[in-house]
Amino acid sequence: GENVEQHPSTLSVQEGDSAVIKCTYSDSASNYFPWYKQELGKRPQLIIDIRSNVGEKKDQRIAVTLNKTAKHFSLHITETQPEDSAVYFCAADTGFQKLVFGTGTRLLVSP
Amino acid sequence: NAGVTQTPKFQVLKTGQSMTLQCAQDMNHEYMSWYRQDPGMGLRLIHYSVGAGITDQGEVPNGYNVSRSTTEDFPLRLLSAAPSQTSVYFCASRRLAGEGEQFFGPGTRLTVL
Repeated sequence: GENVEQHPSTLSVQEGDSAVIKCTYSDSASNYFPWYKQELGKRPQLIIDIRSNVGEKKDQRIAVTLNKTAKHFSLHITETQPEDSAVYFCAADTGFQKLVFGTGTRLLVSP
Repeated sequence: NAGVTQTPKFQVLKTGQSMTLQCAQDMNHEYMSWYRQDPGMGLRLIHYSVGAGITDQGEVPNGYNVSRSTTEDFPLRLLSAAPSQTSVYFCASRRLAGEGEQFFGPGTRLTVL
C-alpha cells in the first residue's frame, strides 16, 4: 500500500522567512496530493492540493510542487506570519479509495 | 450546511466498555472515513465507506466496527475499549472516493482508563 513520509517533523522560522516541508510517496499510481493545516485543538483543513498532471500550483503565499519521477512533493510558504504556526500534513491519494497522510510537521513562526 | 458533525466531543471510558462515536454529514457525500490521530503518528485510517452498505478496512481496523446504513451517517463502534485506543478520532467525508476535497469533522477526544 501507499506510504507517505514527511520531513521535517518540526520547523522553526522567523516571521517573514520562507518555510519548506517535503513529502515522499511510494505508490506511482498516486494522482492527488493535498496539504492540510491543523491548528491546535482544531480539525485539519485543506489549504492547497495538486494533481499528478500538474507540476506546480500557487495560492498567494503558499505553493506546492510535485516531482512525479522522484515521487516527492513539497509545500512552500513565503513571508511567513505567526498565524501560519500550526501542524501541516501532506497526503497522497492512490485513487484506490484511501487518502494516506504523512506524520505531520509542526511549524512555529516566531515574531 | 453543518458539514461533518461528530458526537460526543469528549469521552472517558473504562477498559472493556463499549461505545459508539457518531458521525454525520449533510453534503450528500458518498465517501466517508474514520481516522485516529496520535502524537507523532499523523492521521491513520481506521475504516472507510464508498457508499451506503459498503465498508472496508483501513490501516488500523482492529478493535473497531463500522456500518453505513444511510448516506448521511457513519458510526464507529469500539467493541471493548483498551488504553491503546486513547486518541483523537476524526470522521471525514468526500463527494466520491478519490475525488475532491476531504472535509473533517471537529473530532472526538477519547480517553480509556
